[in-house]
Amino acid sequence: AQKITQTQPGMFVQEKEAVTLDCTYDTSDQSYGLFWYKQPSSGEMIFLIYQGSYDEQNATEGRYSLNFQKARKSANLVISASQLGDSAMYFCAMREAIISGGYQKVTFGTGTKLQVIP
Amino acid sequence: DAGVTQSPTHLIKTRGQHVTLRCSPISGHKSVSWYQQVLGQGPQFIFQYYEKEERGRGNFPDRFSARQFPNYSSELNVNALLLGDSALYLCASSTTYRDTGELFFGEGSRLTVL
Repeated sequence: AQKITQTQPGMFVQEKEAVTLDCTYDTSDQSYGLFWYKQPSSGEMIFLIYQGSYDEQNATEGRYSLNFQKARKSANLVISASQLGDSAMYFCAMREAIISGGYQKVTFGTGTKLQVIP
Repeated sequence: DAGVTQSPTHLIKTRGQHVTLRCSPISGHKSVSWYQQVLGQGPQFIFQYYEKEERGRGNFPDRFSARQFPNYSSELNVNALLLGDSALYLCASSTTYRDTGELFFGEGSRLTVL
């Protein structure tokens, strides 16, 4: 079974500064995918970025980048030039292939609450 | 284009009652997954349906059931509600059950059990 660990329950960052949200994972699968989602107070899960286990380059999407260190099993999210609207919960997640059932499910971490300070 | 839509957005039930939550996937998506998010935790996988068949089930009791209709919309049913069932229930859609990449989520149904 896989596991996602987010060790930072809460983080503060000054507006316009960069911030790194930590995520480590544990899996015996060779093929897997890692996600980051943002969840504002409204509840919707907003996709930010995706990294496949075989991708050699770190994924980037605008101000978001994923620092993927496969040997250390870490997939940290870096947000550059923080904005007030970035204040939200952030979840790291991993896609797992359930071979016996022939389907895939996504396992989420416990989240990090990011607050951007003006 | 419409995203994943869920209804109702909020509801209050009492212990022992039954609840039905509904989800319409993105047009063209044939797979729907349900997740439960208890306050302060990450979402937990409940079910995945594809082409009206259950493809996967998480560690939830038999009080939880679901189905998918020919138009690929889905219902999540919870019987004999307990206080611990209070949560945000999220629906996600994807094109197939083997999708890689992004899961598209709705805004969720927030259930309060009194």
